[in-house]
Amino acid sequence: DIQMTQSPSSLSASVGDRVTITCRASQSISTFLSWYQQKPGKAPKLLIYAASNLQSGVPSGFSGSGSGTDFTLTISSLQPEDFASYYCQQTYSTPLTFGGGTKVEIK
Amino acid sequence: EIQLVESGGGLIQAGGSLRLSCAASGFTVSNNYMNWVRQAPGKGLEWVSVMYTGGSTFYADSVKGRFTISRDNSKNTLYLQMNSLRAEDTAVYYCARASTLGSGFDYWGQGTVVTVSS
Repeated sequence: DIQMTQSPSSLSASVGDRVTITCRASQSISTFLSWYQQKPGKAPKLLIYAASNLQSGVPSGFSGSGSGTDFTLTISSLQPEDFASYYCQQTYSTPLTFGGGTKVEIK
Repeated sequence: EIQLVESGGGLIQAGGSLRLSCAASGFTVSNNYMNWVRQAPGKGLEWVSVMYTGGSTFYADSVKGRFTISRDNSKNTLYLQMNSLRAEDTAVYYCARASTLGSGFDYWGQGTVVTVSS
């Protein structure tokens, strides 16, 4: 099974800050990597697919990069509605594992 | 408009069975890769199972042999039959769609809560 390791598990940031979350796969997954945002009590929302492609309707302040084993989600300027949990997921092979999540909190 | 609506959750004793349903509208279930994902209280996301367009099925090790994913094309509905339930199966269960193999899950249901009492 492919293990996905996300870091940090939580962070505190201010509105306007640039935020970077990393995700590492235990083996190469090419660009079969997605990022999700989840707010309390809600279903996850797809932000980025295929490592760097912005899902339709997602603000351009979100971006993704990486390939192979190392990936990054960047929020260029944190907005109040961006305070949430974020998860990476590999879709290279079953089981389709998620990272442990990153909770972005208000500083 | 694309929608996924889960139902069938509830409180069940350990060892019991439940069948979850995921009714889809706005697209055809059998033409997509349909998944179940769960989230235990206060925990992260855990992928549970997928059914491919061709009917192949795959499961997480934690549920293999106990859960079965299926679909009814006439009802455009995805199911998850859960047997031999354990306390650690307590979670919100989501169905989610992937439009192509290897793509992200672009549509999710609102979730249904399963609570297994020991």
